[in-house]
Amino acid sequence: AQSVTQLDSQVPVFEEAPVELRCNYSSSVSVYLFWYVQYPNQGLQLLLKYLSGSTLVKGINGFEAEFNKSQTSFHLRKPSVHISDTAEYFCAVKKKTSGSRLTFGEGTQLTVNP
Amino acid sequence: GAVVSQHPSRVICKSGTSVKIECRSLDFQATTMFWYRQFPKQSLMLMATSNEGSKATYEQGVEKDKFLINHASLTLSTLTVTSAHPEDSSFYICSAGGGGQPDNEQFFGPGTRLTVL
Repeated sequence: AQSVTQLDSQVPVFEEAPVELRCNYSSSVSVYLFWYVQYPNQGLQLLLKYLSGSTLVKGINGFEAEFNKSQTSFHLRKPSVHISDTAEYFCAVKKKTSGSRLTFGEGTQLTVNP
Repeated sequence: GAVVSQHPSRVICKSGTSVKIECRSLDFQATTMFWYRQFPKQSLMLMATSNEGSKATYEQGVEKDKFLINHASLTLSTLTVTSAHPEDSSFYICSAGGGGQPDNEQFFGPGTRLTVL
């Protein structure tokens, strides 16, 4: 079985500051890794994903994440946040098997203050 | 990316009635659809996985007679909440995958807010 731990439930930052949202996972098999963003009363939007290859993955809206196999981490970063980045962020993993489910972390609420 | 729609986006019903939520993949044929439930300030909880033409696989603790899932075609899955009660009030989200889309990705619908009075 897989599990995902998002180490911070809430992250408040000021506008234009850098931010890192932390994610650690546990799995006995190789997995794909994802970050999703959810705005209030909306579904999930994919920010980025790691499948293989380069461990630094760039996504939409200026976000990037780095896969660290030895530390089983997949932290999300952005060098300068905007007010519009305020949202809930979910880290997720998925076994490399056809039709397998996503396992989500508990989510991190990012609040960007002016 | 592919587009998944849900209808309705919001529904309010009386206790004891049944509510049907539709999930459609608009531009691809989804061989697998997933139904999630999300309580306020919480993560998504997988309720069931459905493959076109076969019975849904429910997660432990999810009542299959209460949450009826039908995946009759490659573009449509429905979730029916039968005899709804206030504790069924939640945000329900579907996702779809397969059908030529990258095997590693699911595409999410916008969600349906169910309120049972």
